[in-house]
Amino acid sequence: EADIYQTPRYLVIGTGKKITLECSQTMGHDKMYWYQQDPGMELHLIHYSYGVNSTEKGDLSSESTVSRIRTEHFPLTLESARPSHTSQYLCASSELGPGGADTQYFGPGTRLTVL
Amino acid sequence: QKEVEQDPGPLSVPEGAIVSLNCTYSNSAFQYFMWYRQYSRKGPELLMYTYSSGNKEDGRFTAQVDKSSKYISLFIRDSQPSDSATYLCAMRRGMDSNYQLIWGAGTKLIIKP
Repeated sequence: EADIYQTPRYLVIGTGKKITLECSQTMGHDKMYWYQQDPGMELHLIHYSYGVNSTEKGDLSSESTVSRIRTEHFPLTLESARPSHTSQYLCASSELGPGGADTQYFGPGTRLTVL
Repeated sequence: QKEVEQDPGPLSVPEGAIVSLNCTYSNSAFQYFMWYRQYSRKGPELLMYTYSSGNKEDGRFTAQVDKSSKYISLFIRDSQPSDSATYLCAMRRGMDSNYQLIWGAGTKLIIKP
């Protein structure tokens, strides 16, 4: 089982609140990702990082920010939560192996509901 | 049009049946093809990985890539109730770490005992 953790697992919050979703991995992977997943829909990449002090925006426009101060930690912050942010948020890390194999290891996800 | 198309299902089959799951894609530059399995309330986990065209077998699972048709398949033999999950295909253009995975929407599979 992958050593990647997300907290909280479930969060219900009111509109306008600032929230931080935590993600930590103990595998020493340089690459980390945040995805948004709605039921029956594909994973959408929100942010990613290639290492400490490296962050990039993904394809999905999102009013969120990330930081990568330590290799093992990649938190996602929503400055002002809105009902449209209601979704499942998945964190992942990966390492490029021989032959181009790029296994992404996922955390259990945070299910966010914004009222 | 989405780069990767996958029938969301659900696909319901009896235990022991052979299951065929498929994805089509439009970008001929894709070279790396993956199948992930996602159980309810869990994150996806890598099941199979294939580079370019051809078949790859791992136990009851076979991954097949047909680049000429832009079509990939995952076959499950002797399906078990524990195989009930959502199966997502994912693909990537190259080894360069700047290329991100492009995901299908996932097919929900139900194996009936």
